[in-house]
Amino acid sequence: DTAVSQTPKYLVTQMGNDKSIKCEQNLGHDTMYWYKQDSKKFLKIMFSYNNKELIINETVPNRFSPKSPDKAHLNLHINSLELGDSAVYFCASSPTGERGEQYFGPGTRLTVT
Amino acid sequence: AQSVSQHNHHVILSEAASLELGCNYSYGGTVNLFWYVQYPGQHLQLLLKYFSGDPLVKGIKGFEAEFIKSKFSFNLRKPSVQWSDTAEYFCAVNRYTGNQFYFGTGTSLTVIP
Repeated sequence: DTAVSQTPKYLVTQMGNDKSIKCEQNLGHDTMYWYKQDSKKFLKIMFSYNNKELIINETVPNRFSPKSPDKAHLNLHINSLELGDSAVYFCASSPTGERGEQYFGPGTRLTVT
Repeated sequence: AQSVSQHNHHVILSEAASLELGCNYSYGGTVNLFWYVQYPGQHLQLLLKYFSGDPLVKGIKGFEAEFIKSKFSFNLRKPSVQWSDTAEYFCAVNRYTGNQFYFGTGTSLTVIP
């Protein structure tokens, strides 16, 4: 069974379009995250949700909007895509109140042309 | 500023060589420490973690790491690397009071057969 899943795995789109990436975890975790990994493999946290509430919102353009319909899902919507948004986006989850590690999804490779 | 530093950006080794990757963090309080591995084209997977107790922790695939509190370090080691260890390695710190993870910039390891 997949613990943290993301769809789609690959996403190729043109500048100016709006796209969404979905993430689901079946681990029963309370906290979910979105990370952006650039071409140099640098991993940058974007958002964190705990029980559907936003708890971390790093300096990210407001074109990026996370949505958590329930604690098992954290979707990422991106408006007006730009070339610089091309990256691999990873979803992750972790338990709250414990010192647990983060479990990562397989990643979504976004290419903006 | 609080941060996690990985001083080795790119390491190239021959098979059977010994490996040590450095990781230093700058948080003063209690922390949990992790090493993650990212094989080419894959997501991050946990190698090992330290919460408390014996500062020498053993992980999967023959990896180990030593927590030295006085040096704020958590270096990763493996006595004899294999070609299959070629990957990106990330050190991460989780502050005891929060769920935010701080990742290092990663070290790219290339093992030459």
